[in-house]
Amino acid sequence: QTVVTQEPSFSVSPGGTVTLTCGLSSGSVSTNYYPSWYQQTPGQAPRTLIYSTYTRSSGVPDRFSGSILGNKAALTITGAQADDESDYYCVLYMGSGILVIGGGTKLTVL
Amino acid sequence: EVQLVESGGGLIQPGGSLRLSCAASGFTVSNNYMNWVRQAPGKGLEWVSIIFGDGSTFYADSVKGRFTISRDNSKNMLYLQMNSLRAEDTAVYYCARGPLRVFFQQWGQGTLVTVSS
Repeated sequence: QTVVTQEPSFSVSPGGTVTLTCGLSSGSVSTNYYPSWYQQTPGQAPRTLIYSTYTRSSGVPDRFSGSILGNKAALTITGAQADDESDYYCVLYMGSGILVIGGGTKLTVL
Repeated sequence: EVQLVESGGGLIQPGGSLRLSCAASGFTVSNNYMNWVRQAPGKGLEWVSIIFGDGSTFYADSVKGRFTISRDNSKNMLYLQMNSLRAEDTAVYYCARGPLRVFFQQWGQGTLVTVSS
């Protein structure tokens, strides 16, 4: 069974840059998996940040960017702000209608 | 404005059945990829099911054979019929729209399902 891997937690200083990654338990992530990224704060529904690897969703500031780094998908946040403190999830499309969501990364801004 | 509003959650005993609904506005359900995603208390998100515009359906292994996704085009509604419920199905269930099959564009606010005796 395919597992999508994410760092359980990460911290960044205000104004700093952080890169969260999204990998596969077996194999490499490429654009063919159409990685997407979502932000969720406690008690709220997720918010779509990035889809199809690079494309920012409407209204998402350009501080958020998506890419492929090595064999993983990546979400980079530049100029981190206090309200970026959230859980971040990546989603990969496995084909045949199947989507798999990573375990999420809890980002702390301190 | 696109809006998704889930309903139908509640407390149900193990082995029971429940049907969740998702009322969509601002777009046509039958022209989109519609998903159910759930989140157990204190846990991460888990994709549950998708229905394509052509009516094709797909499920996560954890719910295959127990859950059925469907829609009513005349009402612009999405549904999730959940049978043989287990304690591990306890979660907030979100409906999510995908203009493409590969991601979720908009999300509802979720409805809580609690499976417990």
